[in-house]
Amino acid sequence: DGGITQSPKYLFRKEGQNVTLSCEQNLNHDAMYWYRQDPGQGLRLIYYSQIVNDFQKGDIAEGYSVSREKKESFPLTVTSAQKNPTAFYLCASSFLEKLFFGSGTQLSVL
Amino acid sequence: GQQLNQSPQSMFIQEGEDVSMNCTSSSIFNTWLWYKQDPGEGPVLLIALYKAGELTSNGRLTAQFGITRKDSFLNISASIPSDVGIYFCAGQGTTDSWGKLQFGAGTQVVVTP
Repeated sequence: DGGITQSPKYLFRKEGQNVTLSCEQNLNHDAMYWYRQDPGQGLRLIYYSQIVNDFQKGDIAEGYSVSREKKESFPLTVTSAQKNPTAFYLCASSFLEKLFFGSGTQLSVL
Repeated sequence: GQQLNQSPQSMFIQEGEDVSMNCTSSSIFNTWLWYKQDPGEGPVLLIALYKAGELTSNGRLTAQFGITRKDSFLNISASIPSDVGIYFCAGQGTTDSWGKLQFGAGTQVVVTP
């Protein structure tokens, strides 16, 4: 089955800790994205990558980092600099204008 | 980035009723997309619209791309319990790259028997 796999489904972060969210896709899409979703709000773009070894900041990149070493993978690290990390994180890939989403990771702070 | 204005914020409807929601923007869009999100899951694409005035259906769903290119609406006819979820509009502006969409805040739909 083709799709986008995010892991883990639930993640807990301690104070001062960096955590990494995994995103893998087998759709052969060039572009990948990370969005943050807070209750009652729309999706806000954190980072995106249109090609391997290249990525750009989105609207709320502070406190986050990414890498794109392989076409299939686009991991997101939530650093200790992100003071309000509790949210639902969505990874997506795109074909032309259409975004296809993973099932999300819920990150909470202990 | 700019968020779209999506309304209503939430709707409580009875099974069998029709549902209507819309999105507006201050800027022109090339593409409008409508997504549905179930609790704890990622959004799933329902309908994509590509030109002004376009009216597209997908089963009980109908969506239209506004003539001004600054708005879109989504209708759900004869709602059923599985229509529960959050519906998002998304648009691609004239200066946005492929896949870089702007999202509305969502419409929460609750269907009661």
